[in-house]
Amino acid sequence: DQQVKQNSPSLSVQEGRISILNCDYTNSMFDYFLWYKKYPAEGPTFLISISSIKDKNEDGRFTVFLNKSAKHLSLHIVPSQPGDSAVYFCAASAQDTGGFKTIFGAGTRLFVKA
Amino acid sequence: DGGITQSPKYLFRKEGQNVTLSCEQNLNHDAMYWYRQDPGQGLRLIYYSQIVNDFQKGDIAEGYSVSREKKESFPLTVTSAQKNPTAFYLCASVSGGLAKNIQYFGAGTRLSVL
Repeated sequence: DQQVKQNSPSLSVQEGRISILNCDYTNSMFDYFLWYKKYPAEGPTFLISISSIKDKNEDGRFTVFLNKSAKHLSLHIVPSQPGDSAVYFCAASAQDTGGFKTIFGAGTRLFVKA
Repeated sequence: DGGITQSPKYLFRKEGQNVTLSCEQNLNHDAMYWYRQDPGQGLRLIYYSQIVNDFQKGDIAEGYSVSREKKESFPLTVTSAQKNPTAFYLCASVSGGLAKNIQYFGAGTRLSVL
């Protein structure tokens, strides 16, 4: 039972163009959504997040869009750069009895071609 | 500088052996987490701890044990009961306040079975 799904295992984009990474979730209790970026042999690093009360959050070249009715969020990277090549994890968070519980998607590997 | 340190980077386990993965943080974070990553899957929660001397099972706790005797340290033991331990293990901590959902990860430990 995957509560957070990233249906595209990989994505290839030309440098300078837009990269769009998608994520779907099933649990309406999630109230906070995050994107993490991971390089090989390193741990994931936080990239950008959005609260469920918003539909858009922007930070430089990165924008996250949230469509609550569709239970869908997306990460836009504009313009894409070769250094953006990494695995991107979508994550959804909700309050649990023991604190916050975060569920991660399987990741999308982004290749940005020079 | 502050961060999360996981050691060793690579670990090999013999049949029937218990092994312990180290996770230390100097970020003064209260909450710490252990995840397991398998190819093509997201990060799955093994155990987490909100405060010292307290911890809860995650989604895949069977075959694992943890302790939280100090705020800075959250070691994970992979016991002989874990029949499929080969994976990439990630430790994370969470700051409080407004960034309470954001997790900071170590570089990971890759465990293999001999």
